[in-house]
Amino acid sequence: GDSVTQMEGPVTLSEEAFLTINCTYTATGYPSLFWYVQYPGEGLQLLLKATKADDKGSNKGFEATYRKETTSFHLEKGSVQVSDSAVYFCALSGNTGGFKTIFGAGTRLFVKA
Amino acid sequence: KAGVTQTPRYLIKTRGQQVTLSCSPISGHRSVSWYQQTPGQGLQFLFEYFSETQRNKGNFPGRFSGRQFSNSRSEMNVSTLELGDSALYLCASRTSGGADKTQYFGPGTRLLVL
Repeated sequence: GDSVTQMEGPVTLSEEAFLTINCTYTATGYPSLFWYVQYPGEGLQLLLKATKADDKGSNKGFEATYRKETTSFHLEKGSVQVSDSAVYFCALSGNTGGFKTIFGAGTRLFVKA
Repeated sequence: KAGVTQTPRYLIKTRGQQVTLSCSPISGHRSVSWYQQTPGQGLQFLFEYFSETQRNKGNFPGRFSGRQFSNSRSEMNVSTLELGDSALYLCASRTSGGADKTQYFGPGTRLLVL
């Protein structure tokens, strides 16, 4: 079945450092890919998405490119801020087995001032 | 446009009891899905409703059930609660059964079973 694998955390960075969170997926066909962010005590917020190969999703300085050839959707940000500290989830919604979103395990990010 | 709302936000129950959680989707969204989030298992899909019909179901026991009303609001019920049902229950909505698979999540209901 479909699955998502993302790098384990926690990831600890200093403010203004470069962020990469790796995400790879297994799915039949061409799923839609997402990054969600969860702040403490809250639900999930959509950060960005991409619906077809080579699409780049971007929002609030975060970017991720849908790479069909490597089945990857890595999240990047050029300069992180303390306010980016949260848990980040990579996810996919496929085309088989009915609609549902499959999530990775989540990566906790700590940004130090 | 108002986001997805869930009530109650926090709930404490004891083993053997049952609980009902409520979700109001974004206006115009007809699909509602439910997820369970726990530290050990992460985010797991429970079920999806569209136009009052359950269209897809995850691998959860029959104690977990749901329904959707004509106004797209949804409820989730868990009967005979077990300690392991303690979790954050998230509801998500999306526009329709079409190509856009983007889901928007509510703040969740945190359930503690004692």
